[in-house]
Amino acid sequence: GIQVEQSPPDLILQEGANSTLRCNFSDSVNNLQWFHQNPWGQLINLFYIPSGTKQNGRLSATTVATERYSLLYISSSQTTDSGVYFCAVERYQGAQKLVFGQGTRLTINP
Amino acid sequence: GAGVSQTPSNKVTEKGKYVELRCDPISGHTALYWYRQSLGQGPEFLIYFQGTGAADDSGLPNDRFFAVRPEGSVSTLKIQRTERGDSAVYLCASSLGLLYNEQFFGPGTRLTVL
Repeated sequence: GIQVEQSPPDLILQEGANSTLRCNFSDSVNNLQWFHQNPWGQLINLFYIPSGTKQNGRLSATTVATERYSLLYISSSQTTDSGVYFCAVERYQGAQKLVFGQGTRLTINP
Repeated sequence: GAGVSQTPSNKVTEKGKYVELRCDPISGHTALYWYRQSLGQGPEFLIYFQGTGAADDSGLPNDRFFAVRPEGSVSTLKIQRTERGDSAVYLCASSLGLLYNEQFFGPGTRLTVL
């Protein structure tokens, strides 16, 4: 099956810093989603981004489907950004199920 | 409701018992998914419903696990003869399905098998 690898596995930053999280996938995909799992375990949708670039406030994401990677950018980090960030892919149209990476644990210190 | 809801939020049971976990998807979403998340891991797919039928159950680990969605809305995940290894957070998601498949997740049910 498709492999989804996220890096780095852990990231510790000071409030106000910028960060880049990476997601590599081993085969072509139909869709890609980024999630933030907060400390209470809730998965929050950040981006639905099979290709191209999207921005939402301090967050932006870019997926380069032909090169099989996606990047999540967080600018001016806040302590509430702490948690685990997951990338998940849908292998092909109609597959429906998402295959998740192992996540990047982000800790923002005040 | 506004989002996906799951009940109970926590379930503690003894090895060998039967449990049912419930998921109420976003209104109007025809697709419903169950995932399982173990500590320190990403969620793993269990089963997917399109309407009332299970379109893909390839992620169910064995025949102790079963899920239904009789009216195409609420779904129940059923686990028979629970084992300690079944302990995990069980997540439900829903989407409009078919061509637009952005999935939205519920808060999960934390299952602990003693």
